[in-house]
Amino acid sequence: AQSVAQPEDQVNVAEGNPLTVKCTYSVSGNPYLFWYVQYPNRGLQFLLKYITGDNLVKGSYGFEAEFNKSQTSFHLKKPSALVSDSALYFCAVRDGSNYQLIWGAGTKLIIKP
Amino acid sequence: KAGVTQTPRYLIKTRGQQVTLSCSPISGHRSVSWYQQTPGQGLQFLFEYFSETQRNKGNFPGRFSGRQFSNSRSEMNVSTLELGDSALYLCASSQGTGQLSDTQYFGPGTRLTVL
Repeated sequence: AQSVAQPEDQVNVAEGNPLTVKCTYSVSGNPYLFWYVQYPNRGLQFLLKYITGDNLVKGSYGFEAEFNKSQTSFHLKKPSALVSDSALYFCAVRDGSNYQLIWGAGTKLIIKP
Repeated sequence: KAGVTQTPRYLIKTRGQQVTLSCSPISGHRSVSWYQQTPGQGLQFLFEYFSETQRNKGNFPGRFSGRQFSNSRSEMNVSTLELGDSALYLCASSQGTGQLSDTQYFGPGTRLTVL
């Protein structure tokens, strides 16, 4: 069965430091991976997705994600964190057999000035 | 293009009542999915509509229902409200081609409070 894990409920980073939000997945076929961000009292905003090709995917707001097939991971990264990056981040996956997105539990990212 | 819109943004109801939420997808998008978001359960999939037909359904009781109109606008209905139905209800639209790379775009949500 498909599954997604976001192992950290919360990540704390100082402003200006690099940030990583972790995501691991389990699928039976080729994974299609997505990252979304949710600001307070807002809907989810699409950041980026991996379909195939380059393992490093660039997305909105300076975010990027690294796909690692051997480790079944798709970690979200940013070289220099901003206070405005503080939000809830969700990872989601589809595999080749099911159109439905499977969602991680979310990681709260807190950037401290 | 205008984004996904949801109305109303906030609702307060009492137990036993029913409620209807509305979602207008991005122009040209034919698929609409509904999610329930709560602090304890995270994002839970309710159902997906494509071309006025329910294409997928999550594991929710029959009190939760939906429909889609010919212009792709969608409504969801919750009957006999329970306290546990208090949540943020999110609508997402996508082209709905069935491609696994299809991206969902979310509306701002409707915050439902059941008293």
